[in-house]
Amino acid sequence: KAGVTQTPRYLIKTRGQQVTLSCSPISGHRSVSWYQQTPGQGLQFLFEYFSETQRNKGNFPGRFSGRQFSNSRSEMNVSTLELGDSALYLCASSLVWDPKQAKNIQYFGAGTRLSVL
Amino acid sequence: KNQVEQSPQSLIILEGKNCTLQCNYTVSPFSNLRWYKQDTGRGPVSLTIMTFSENTKSNGRYTATLDADTKQSSLHITASQLSDSASYICVVGSYGGSQGNLIFGKGTKLSVKP
Repeated sequence: KAGVTQTPRYLIKTRGQQVTLSCSPISGHRSVSWYQQTPGQGLQFLFEYFSETQRNKGNFPGRFSGRQFSNSRSEMNVSTLELGDSALYLCASSLVWDPKQAKNIQYFGAGTRLSVL
Repeated sequence: KNQVEQSPQSLIILEGKNCTLQCNYTVSPFSNLRWYKQDTGRGPVSLTIMTFSENTKSNGRYTATLDADTKQSSLHITASQLSDSASYICVVGSYGGSQGNLIFGKGTKLSVKP
């Protein structure tokens, strides 16, 4: 079974541009979450989707947005890029949406490393 | 604010030795506690998940403990191998908050030397 696939693996953009990152979850998984990882802050939650609906959103500005398609694939978009957006963006999929996160295992992709110049 | 603190930030040990990583949390409501291993250039991989009623969980040479009263957890690695070199991230599951349902620590970077 293929794991979580994120594309592209690396991106270089300049300030002010916008970027779209893609995530294909494990086959059969319907929940997708996005995280930003930086050396100083660790992993920070961006948003979570299930059945094409955003179920939860972290404390990030409106420049960060996402969506989920009917096949559970997800994209996230960052507009008007800033230097501070340079980070590893991780996508994680899980079988179902579990608001109480009892024992719902998330499987992470390898991430997209975004560099903003 | 919900927080997860890990110590030490980094650790160097010799191959074959044991080590213990620490995690303290202030998260409410508490749902579960997880340990993840993240190799360089890869996404995190789940090692263990413990709910409130579980105080120990093993996965091969990895053993996690949870003290829900003191809000502390530890990850013990036995007979370390070079492949154990990675970042280990403590994650506490919660619900109902804007931080999302998983609150991540910043990780402990472990280096195992031959």
